[in-house]
Amino acid sequence: ILNVEQSPQSLHVQEGDSTNFTCSFPSSNFYALHWYRWETAKSPEALFVMTLNGDEKKKGRISATLNTKEGYSYLYIKGSQPEDSATYLCASDNYGQNFVFGPGTRLSVLP
Amino acid sequence: DGGITQSPKYLFRKEGQNVTLSCEQNLNHDAMYWYRQDPGQGLRLIYYSQIVNDFQKGDIAEGYSVSREKKESFPLTVTSAQKNPTAFYLCASSNRGLAGAHDDTQYFGPGTRLTVL
Repeated sequence: ILNVEQSPQSLHVQEGDSTNFTCSFPSSNFYALHWYRWETAKSPEALFVMTLNGDEKKKGRISATLNTKEGYSYLYIKGSQPEDSATYLCASDNYGQNFVFGPGTRLSVLP
Repeated sequence: DGGITQSPKYLFRKEGQNVTLSCEQNLNHDAMYWYRQDPGQGLRLIYYSQIVNDFQKGDIAEGYSVSREKKESFPLTVTSAQKNPTAFYLCASSNRGLAGAHDDTQYFGPGTRLTVL
């Protein structure tokens, strides 16, 4: 089973702060990297799908970058708001494998 | 509205009993998945199905069974053989069928929390 890691495990920031966290994934047979946001009592919601090395995706104040050669992706949140509080999951999609999810980074944005 | 539903939201089971968790999707997706979440761990794949009447074991299939008689439905049975069934269970679906797909994003249901008493 492939290993996907995320850091930090949890994070507390003040409203207005910018923050970022990391997903590390196996670079061999890489196909795609998925980011999800999972708010309490809701379903995980897809944020980004990234496939190309150097890819950068943006959705409002949230953006993500991808390095497939070294096997990592960063998720950035600019000017965090309380509604950004959630667990952020990444999942590695490698050829011949099913999705492998990381344990998530739990973000709490304090007003 | 298109989406995935899971029922029930909370489920309590006595030791030694089998219990079935429901998952229905109206997204016309070929593939469906069952995951289990335990504290501090990533989602772990129990079973998946890429087409009706076919399914495959995931990483932690022991003590579980599934069926895929209809495209829309993928129920999961937690049997008495599952040694530690208390967990949060998530169902998902995607366009990834046997032929592959450009969009492999998985869409999730709201989950079922199973507690064994």
